[in-house]
Amino acid sequence: EDKVVQSPLSLVVHEGDTVTLNCSYEVTNFRSLLWYKQEKKAPTFLFMLTSSGIEKKSGRLSSILDKKELFSILNITATQTGDSAIYLCAVVRPGGSEKLVFGKGTKLTVNP
Amino acid sequence: ETGVTQTPRHLVMGMTNKKSLKCEQHLGHNAMYWYKQSAKKPLELMFVYSLEERVENNSVPSRFSPECPNSSHLFLHLHTLQPEDSALYLCASSQGLAKETQYFGPGTRLLVL
Repeated sequence: EDKVVQSPLSLVVHEGDTVTLNCSYEVTNFRSLLWYKQEKKAPTFLFMLTSSGIEKKSGRLSSILDKKELFSILNITATQTGDSAIYLCAVVRPGGSEKLVFGKGTKLTVNP
Repeated sequence: ETGVTQTPRHLVMGMTNKKSLKCEQHLGHNAMYWYKQSAKKPLELMFVYSLEERVENNSVPSRFSPECPNSSHLFLHLHTLQPEDSALYLCASSQGLAKETQYFGPGTRLLVL
């Protein structure tokens, strides 16, 4: 059974801290891994990772994929209260009816 | 503004009611999706429509009935729901079926009493 496991499930930090969110996966086929940020309701796309070892970066956020060890991390440096959200990881399986398997998410709370 | 809108944003209904959720995308996409997000569970894909045809139905109970009259609109018709159906229902759209390119709507928070 395909599985995406995120850890920790929740995390509380202070502004300025650096956080690392983890996503491990077990899927029969793999095409890409996606990170989303979900504030209030609509998940918004952050990164798509397809190749191992290539860091994707956007401002204070960065992410990297390890296809050998089957995990990805999302780093946020110098956190701000606006980073408070649920961070979702999802793996895309290719196929005639391709599948998107989500993890449960990590709830990040950044306190002032 | 994500380009995908959903109405209503909140809905409370009894188990004998019939209601419909609406999704509209303004992005020119040709694929649309319904997801269910329950508390402490992963997002679950319910239905996929491509070019107005249903291409995926992930073992969803028949009390959920989707409708896609055109590539910009997607409905989820609800009838005789159960309390465990209470969840956030998210709509998404993409160009083609590449799920990497999905844009999500804000969701409808549904409570079934």
